[in-house]
Amino acid sequence: LAKTTQPISMDSYEGQEVNITCSHNNIATNDYITWYQQFPSQGPRFIIQGYKTKVTNEVASLFIPADRKSSTLSLPRVSLSDTAVYYCLVGEVRTGRRALTFGSGTRLQVQP
Amino acid sequence: DVKVTQSSRYLVKRTGEKVFLECVQDMDHENMFWYRQDPGLGLRLIYFSYDVKMKEKGDIPEGYSVSREKKERFSLILESASTNQTSMYLCASSRTGAGAYEQYFGPGTRLTVT
Repeated sequence: LAKTTQPISMDSYEGQEVNITCSHNNIATNDYITWYQQFPSQGPRFIIQGYKTKVTNEVASLFIPADRKSSTLSLPRVSLSDTAVYYCLVGEVRTGRRALTFGSGTRLQVQP
Repeated sequence: DVKVTQSSRYLVKRTGEKVFLECVQDMDHENMFWYRQDPGLGLRLIYFSYDVKMKEKGDIPEGYSVSREKKERFSLILESASTNQTSMYLCASSRTGAGAYEQYFGPGTRLTVT
């Protein structure tokens, strides 16, 4: 599975857009990119998943350049409740005999 | 709503005890996972199972075993608990196919081994 690198921590203010970039230089052809969010004392929660270009849902957008060696999770107009750890995962698990690897994630702190 | 439940939120055991952590999911998911989470280390996969009676080692299986006798239930077993197994344990489940990327997590069990 591809190794990922993301910042350890980020700070932002309420109302700002936050972009968290994940580097995955050795991503394989069949790998997908998945992002999770984890609040304190809870299990992680799936946010978004993509293969290439741009994916958007009600929570976030995911931007993936053509070479797919990185991806950026974009959170529009963050609030205090977006303070959490965000994990970038890369891999191909559709067969069910593989599992994604969580790294240490990026700790986002949103200030008032 | 998918629900993944874990048998205990908090557990205190003594060194050398055999410990069972139970996880149940109610959405007929094929895949189930056990992770541990420690400060600064993120989530680390212990074992996962893609079918009844099937299991695969994760990144840190040493000192643990698992059991999946029924599709909805996945048990993590610490044969002889040690203090370095004090941790938060998280169970998760997912479908196969395109749904395999979306794991649903339980609330976690904070295990303390003294």
